[in-house]
Amino acid sequence: AQKITQTQPGMFVQEKEAVTLDCTYDTSDPSYGLFWYKQPSSGEMIFLIYQGSYDQQNATEGRYSLNFQKARKSANLVISASQLGDSAMYFCAMREVGTHNQGGKLIFGQGTELSVKP
Amino acid sequence: KAGVTQTPRYLIKTRGQQVTLSCSPISGHRSVSWYQQTPGQGLQFLFEYFSETQRNKGNFPGRFSGRQFSNSRSEMNVSTLELGDSALYLCASSYGLAGVDTQYFGPGTRLTVL
Repeated sequence: AQKITQTQPGMFVQEKEAVTLDCTYDTSDPSYGLFWYKQPSSGEMIFLIYQGSYDQQNATEGRYSLNFQKARKSANLVISASQLGDSAMYFCAMREVGTHNQGGKLIFGQGTELSVKP
Repeated sequence: KAGVTQTPRYLIKTRGQQVTLSCSPISGHRSVSWYQQTPGQGLQFLFEYFSETQRNKGNFPGRFSGRQFSNSRSEMNVSTLELGDSALYLCASSYGLAGVDTQYFGPGTRLTVL
């Protein structure tokens, strides 16, 4: 069954340092997309970065990069040069679009709460 | 482009009442998905609408329903509210094309059931 696992409930990082948030996934669908969202205390989910299952290169968006290891079924988010405004919940999500296509359904992990220290 | 908007932002209801939440997608987006977020269950998919048709449905009782209008705006309705329905309800919109396209979320409606 499709599943997303985020094993770090909470993490601390010093301002200006890099941090890696872990995400592993489970699916038998060969075609899928992986997403990371940020949720500040206000509640809105903010899209950060996307990786397709057939993408050969790791996705990058500004200070965010996705370390995609398909054989290990992991899609870790790397935030470089952390800022105080990065303090938030971070969710990894997956969408299957191949043999198990379920339309727009996103499956989310439990999230990691990141705290950036000054 | 304006983002996804949801109204109302906050709602307080009592058990047994019903509630309607509204979502306006990003202009040009035809797919709207709804999610429920609670501390215990996390983020769970409710349903997705595309071109006024329900395309997929999550594992929720029939008290949860939705619809989509010709302008892609969507509403979800919860009847006979229970205490456990207290949650943040998020809607997300996307173009809804085949393959993977990114869903963009609104600010959510925080529902409290007393």
